[in-house]
Order: sequence, then structure tokens, then C-alpha cells
Amino acid sequence: GEDVEQSLFLSVREGDSSVINCTYTDSSSTYLYWYKQEPGAGLQLLTYIFSNMDMKQDQRLTVLLNKKDKHLSLRIADTQTGDSAIYFCAVLLSGGYNKLIFGAGTRLAVHP
Amino acid sequence: SQTIHQWPATLVQPVGSPLSLECTVEGTSNPNLYWYRQAAGRGLQLLFYSVGIGQISSEVPQNLSASRPQDRQFILSSKKLLLSDSGFYLCAWSVWGELPGSAIYFGEGSWLTVV
Repeated sequence: GEDVEQSLFLSVREGDSSVINCTYTDSSSTYLYWYKQEPGAGLQLLTYIFSNMDMKQDQRLTVLLNKKDKHLSLRIADTQTGDSAIYFCAVLLSGGYNKLIFGAGTRLAVHP
Repeated sequence: SQTIHQWPATLVQPVGSPLSLECTVEGTSNPNLYWYRQAAGRGLQLLFYSVGIGQISSEVPQNLSASRPQDRQFILSSKKLLLSDSGFYLCAWSVWGELPGSAIYFGEGSWLTVV
């Protein structure tokens, strides 16, 4: 079945850039997403990218997609303490209803 | 605008007791509805999804069941809870064809601790 993998932990200094990586196996995925989960809360949709795009920028967020390598990344510029959270990569499976498969999440810790 | 409500937010239940978590969506019609579970320190596992009233698909065999008695209501149940049922349960909705790419939107979650 479809698999989505992420590194589990990332620590960065406040003001630096953070890069969270994700790999997936379904080459026919049409949409790929990044969600953010703050402690004790549900998941918040951060951004998404369509599979025919290589890059998408949204304020401090940059999403890069390498479809050949099935690699997705989320770059957060000027990382702030408020960015500390778990970030989930998700891919939309092709065919049928819209079923998202999630990675295990990357915990981002921002320290002064 | 669409909103999703999920309750209770926190639940502590003894082993062997029943469970009922409820979720309702407002502001949309005929949504796809989902129950996910997030075990401590782990990712999201899709438990059930529903594309319409009375239509439930189970993704993994387990001690839980789901029902959709109304278009915008989704219920997660168990007759007898196990310790391994502890976790963070998330209800979610989507509407096929709506931008962005039919993303899934989540409720605030329910913490279940089975003791």
C-alpha cells in the first residue's frame, strides 16, 4: 500500500530556516499537503501543492516537490517559537474518494 | 463557512466499558467523513471513512465501529474498550472536488484514556 515517511524530529534555532522532508510511494498522487498540529489540538491545513508544480511559496512557507524522486519538503523561513509543532505530510491517493495517507509527523522544536 | 465539532474533548474510561464519540459538521452537505486515531508519539491512522448516510468503510480490523445516522453526523463506538484503544481520536471532513484538491479538515480531537 501507499507509504509516506518523514523524519521524526527536527531542532532549529529561532530565526533560522527549517526544512522538513517527506517521501512517498504513490507516483500518481495528485495533491500533496502539509498539516500542522499544535499540542493537544487537531490538525490545521498549512499548504498544499498540486503534482504538476515544482514549487509553491506562501509567505514564510516554501513547498518543493521532486516528483521523480517522490520527495516533498516544507521550508519555513525565519522560524519562530510559535512554529514549534508537529508537521504532517499527506498525499491524496489516486482514484475513488479523497483518501489522504499521512506520514508519522515531524516534531519541530525551535530554541532561542 | 464550514465548521466541525467533536465531543467529548477528554474521556477517561475503564477497560470493558462502552465508548461513544460524536462529530458533526456544519455548513456543507454530503461531506466525506473520517475517523482517525493518533496513538502517543505516532502518526495518524485512518480508522473509518464514510461517503454517505449509512455507508461506512473500515480501514483496519479493530475493536471499534462507526455509524453515520445523518448526513453530517459521524459516531465512533465501542462495546468494550481495551487498553490499546487509548489515543487521540480525530474526526475530519472533506468534499470531493472542492479546492484545495479536496483537502481534509479536522476537528479538535478527543483524548481517550482507557484505564
